[in-house]
Amino acid sequence: GAGVSQSPRYKVAKRGQDVALRCDPISGHVSLFWYQQALGQGPEFLTYFQNEAQLDKSGLPSDRFFAERPEGSVSTLKIQRTQQEDSAVYLCASSIGPYSGNTIYFGEGSWLTVV
Amino acid sequence: AQSVTQLGSHVSVSEGALVLLRCNYSSSVPPYLFWYVQYPNQGLQLLLKYTTGATLVKGINGFEAEFKKSETSFHLTKPSAHMSDAAEYFCAVTHNAGGTSYGKLTFGQGTILTVHP
Repeated sequence: GAGVSQSPRYKVAKRGQDVALRCDPISGHVSLFWYQQALGQGPEFLTYFQNEAQLDKSGLPSDRFFAERPEGSVSTLKIQRTQQEDSAVYLCASSIGPYSGNTIYFGEGSWLTVV
Repeated sequence: AQSVTQLGSHVSVSEGALVLLRCNYSSSVPPYLFWYVQYPNQGLQLLLKYTTGATLVKGINGFEAEFKKSETSFHLTKPSAHMSDAAEYFCAVTHNAGGTSYGKLTFGQGTILTVHP
C-alpha cells in the first residue's frame, strides 16, 4: 500500500486478555519499528526488525510483549495478559533500509485501552 | 545514550505570528535530528531532518530548523503561523554508527502548538 497500515485502529481489552496488533509496512521496506506512545508523551522505542530478523528488542517493557515478522513484511505485536499500564497507542513505522538518515514512515497507530 | 528535551509542552501563537518550538539534544556522537508533526488521531509525519551538510534545513509547510552544534539545539521555526499548523510537534534524535546503526529514534515529550485567530 501507499503507507504503513495498522489494525485494529482501536482495541478495548479486559485486563488479563491477550491482544494482537498488526502492521503492514510500506512494500519493500526492510526496516520495521514498533513504538509505544502513552497519553501526553513522546513515542518510545519497543523493537526493531531488519527483514525477518529482530535485531533489537531492548524497549519491550516485559516478557508479556512479543513481536514477530516471520516473512519480512507484515509484523504482529502481541501483548499477553494485558494490564492497565499497557494502555497506549502502539505505532508501527518502516523505512526503506537501515541507514539512520532514511525517512521513517509511521502508521496511524493502534489505540489500546485496557479496562 | 541520547536524549531530547523540548522546552515548553504548550506554545500558543496568533495566526500570522512567528512559530518557535525549541529542541535541545544530548548525544555523544554526531546526531541526526528530525522534527515530526502529529495531528489528532493520526500518525507522525516527517516535517524535516538534518543528517549532514547544510545546518539550516527546510521542510514541508514552510517550516525550517537550524542545527547548532555549539548549543546542542535544533529549534523549529515558521515565519507566519497558520490555523492548520495547530498540532503536536516532536523532535527526535538518532545517529549513524556504521553497521550497528539503523535509525532508532529517541523522541522528546512533544510540544502542542495552538494557533488562535
